[in-house]
Formats: sequence, C-alpha cells, structure tokens
Amino acid sequence: EPEVTQTPSHQVTQMGQEVILRCVPISNHLYFYWYRQILGQKVEFLVSFYNNEISEKSEIFDDQFSVERPDGSNFTLKIRSTKLEDSAMYFCASRGTVNYGYTFGSGTRLTVV
Amino acid sequence: AQKVTQAQTEISVVEKEDVTLDCVYETRDTTYYLFWYKQPPSGELVFLIRRNSFDEQNEISGRYSWNFQKSTSSFNFTITASQVVDSAVYFCALSVILTGGGNKLTFGTGTQLKVEL
Repeated sequence: EPEVTQTPSHQVTQMGQEVILRCVPISNHLYFYWYRQILGQKVEFLVSFYNNEISEKSEIFDDQFSVERPDGSNFTLKIRSTKLEDSAMYFCASRGTVNYGYTFGSGTRLTVV
Repeated sequence: AQKVTQAQTEISVVEKEDVTLDCVYETRDTTYYLFWYKQPPSGELVFLIRRNSFDEQNEISGRYSWNFQKSTSSFNFTITASQVVDSAVYFCALSVILTGGGNKLTFGTGTQLKVEL
C-alpha cells in the first residue's frame, strides 16, 4: 500500500538553527499538508499546499515557516530560526482526489534545545 | 469555522469491556467528512474510518463500530471486547469539502484509552 515517507524520524537542533523536515507524499496525490503535535496535545493544522502554492495556513505558520515542493516528489517544511516551543511531532500528509482519503507519514519528532 | 469536541480526556477499562468514545462536531457546511485516527505510544497516526456527511449508516469493522448521527452532530466510536492492544489516544477529526484545495483536518483533543488486564 502506498505510504507517505518522512525523514528524519527524530531531529535535535539548537535554538536559533534552521531545520528542514522532509516528506515524500504518495505519487499521485495532489494535496499536501503539514500538521504539528506538541507532546500530549492535539494535532494542529499548519499549512496546506496545492498546485505549487499554499492554499491555506494557520496562525501558527508565521514567517519563520516555509514549505516547498522542490522537485515534484519531495515536500519540505523549513523552520528558519527554531525556538524551544517549536519542539513537537511534525506530520506530513497527502490526499488524493478520488476517495478523499488522507495519508499521514509516521512523523518527525523535532526537539529544540 | 469547524470544531471537534472530545469531552473524555481519559478512559480506563478492564479488558473485554466495551467502551464508547464520544465525538461532537460543529460546522456550518453541509458537505464534510468525519474521521477517527488511533495514535499508539509509538506516535504515528493510524487511520480507522472516514465517513461523509451524506452517509449516516452505522459501520462495523470487526470489534469497532461507529455511530454517526447528524441530528446531534455526533460521531461516536465503540470498541467491543476491548484488548490491551487498543490502548492508545484516539482522535476524531473533521474536514469540510471546499474547491481549490485546502480541506484541512480539524482534530479534537483526543481521548486516551487505557485497557488493563
């Protein structure tokens, strides 16, 4: 069964450093998403991406965040200058058009120290 | 705006008991999807079910069943004869259907289910 792949599974970074979280969505999906889950809390929407542009973003997704689909297969989330409060599990998801099913990756646990 | 409420923060049951997880949603849209996801201790989100707003038939899949009632805006999830492996956080989520992409999932706060021997 097709799956969404996220790398790395765990990343530790120093506060103020830039991080790039990588995702490979399902190949024939057209809609891509990033979600965040702070430890012990609910899953929160960050951004959706369609037709090579952001279609919606939450208030969490400020100027420190950016997304890119650089080569038609990867979908990346960049945090320019990480803060302690960016520590969370970040989930990538993609969605097709046929049956409205979202497929989530297994997540990247980001720890900012 | 959409909202999903899971009022039960944590439920503890003894193995083989039945347990129902509640989900109440709010949306002004008439066309939407409802989901349940399981998050085991390993952290991934495991898809359980998707139901669209036009299909109010209840669904059963093995020990799992779902009761969708538009009249009360609820989409409750029942596990019959619970097992220790069912221990996880369960999230209910809602997505409205829009043109042009987006269609984000709005999650509830989750219910931690603990099944003990």
